[in-house]
Amino acid sequence: GEDVEQSLFLSVREGDSSVINCTYTDSSSTYLYWYKQEPGAGLQLLTYIFSNMDMKQDQRLTVLLNKKDKHLSLRIADTQTGDSAIYFCADTTGANNLFFGTGTRLTVIP
Amino acid sequence: KAGVTQTPRYLIKTRGQQVTLSCSPISGHRSVSWYQQTPGQGLQFLFEYFSETQRNKGNFPGRFSGRQFSNSRSEMNVSTLELGDSALYLCASSEGGSNQPQHFGDGTRLSIL
Repeated sequence: GEDVEQSLFLSVREGDSSVINCTYTDSSSTYLYWYKQEPGAGLQLLTYIFSNMDMKQDQRLTVLLNKKDKHLSLRIADTQTGDSAIYFCADTTGANNLFFGTGTRLTVIP
Repeated sequence: KAGVTQTPRYLIKTRGQQVTLSCSPISGHRSVSWYQQTPGQGLQFLFEYFSETQRNKGNFPGRFSGRQFSNSRSEMNVSTLELGDSALYLCASSEGGSNQPQHFGDGTRLSIL
């Protein structure tokens, strides 16, 4: 089945950029998503990218997609303490079932 | 627009009981999907409903079932509860077409004693 992998932890200093990486295995993935989960809450949709795109920018967020290597990254510019959370990447092949990675816990050090 | 609403937020049950969780999607959204989140298995897809019909199903036993009403609200039922069913159950809604982004509720935290 589909496998989506992420590193478990990332620590950055406030004001620096954060880069969260994700790899996936299904070459027929159509859309790839980034979600944020804060303690005690559900998943907040941050951004998503269609598989025929290389890059998408949305304010402080930049998504890069390397379809050949099946590698997705999320860059957060000027990281703030409020960005501390768990970040999940997810993909889908068209049906409304998302395959999620394990999540990356981002800790922002003041 | 109001977001996805899940009730109750917390639930405590004992082994062998059954439970029903409720989800109200974003107004105008016709697809509702359910996910289970546990520390060991992460986020796993349970099933998706669209126009009152189950359109997609994950790899969970038949004890897990759901339904959708004509107003798109959905319920999920788990029968004969086991300790391993303790989890955060998340509901997501989308407009209904393929590749539409899913928006999640805050979940129902189910604890089995």
